[in-house]
Amino acid sequence: EAQVTQNPRYLITVTGKKLTVTCSQNMNHEYMSWYRQDPGLGLRQIYYSMNVEVTDKGDVPEGYKVSRKEKRNFPLILESPSPNQTSLYFCASSLSGTSGIYNEQFFGPGTRLTVL
Amino acid sequence: QKEVEQNSGPLSVPEGAIASLNCTYSDRGSQSFFWYRQYSGKSPELIMSIYSNGDKEDGRFTAQLNKASQYVSLLIRDSQPSDSATYLCATRGGNNRLAFGKGNQVVVIP
Repeated sequence: EAQVTQNPRYLITVTGKKLTVTCSQNMNHEYMSWYRQDPGLGLRQIYYSMNVEVTDKGDVPEGYKVSRKEKRNFPLILESPSPNQTSLYFCASSLSGTSGIYNEQFFGPGTRLTVL
Repeated sequence: QKEVEQNSGPLSVPEGAIASLNCTYSDRGSQSFFWYRQYSGKSPELIMSIYSNGDKEDGRFTAQLNKASQYVSLLIRDSQPSDSATYLCATRGGNNRLAFGKGNQVVVIP
């Protein structure tokens, strides 16, 4: 089944304790992205990657890191989480290339993170 | 001005009626436009995409695009209780970046 998976789905942690949220897709998509969703603010892009070893900042990158060593994986790293990073996080992927702008972006199930 | 704006508040419609949602965007370079549906606590799922001016129909859904006015809309005909969700408008430009509006909540009243 074609899908985007995220782990963990739920996480409660404490301020300053490094964490990683994994994202994996099995559709051979070049483009991958991380979003956070907060009430009243909608979906905001954190980082995106056009392909392996190519990443770039989105709208709200502060406090986050990403890497893209393999095409299928795009982990989100919070080196020192703070309470303002409490949010619902979504990973997404799509085909890229010359027709990339027309391609559907598939979303993972989401990770609900609480930082105490 | 926000990149993608969905200004209207929650929309309540009776079952069987038409729900109408509007979206404006600021980037004239936007080339593709999407409507996603999101149930509470779930991930967004694509319901409509449109790339050319005019209307595009898919079942009970119709998307309308007017690039001159930088305006995208979504009509849901014969609204059902299962249509109760938040609808997200999104646009995409040459850098492949997807920009989302804040969404509009739709409540279909049986």
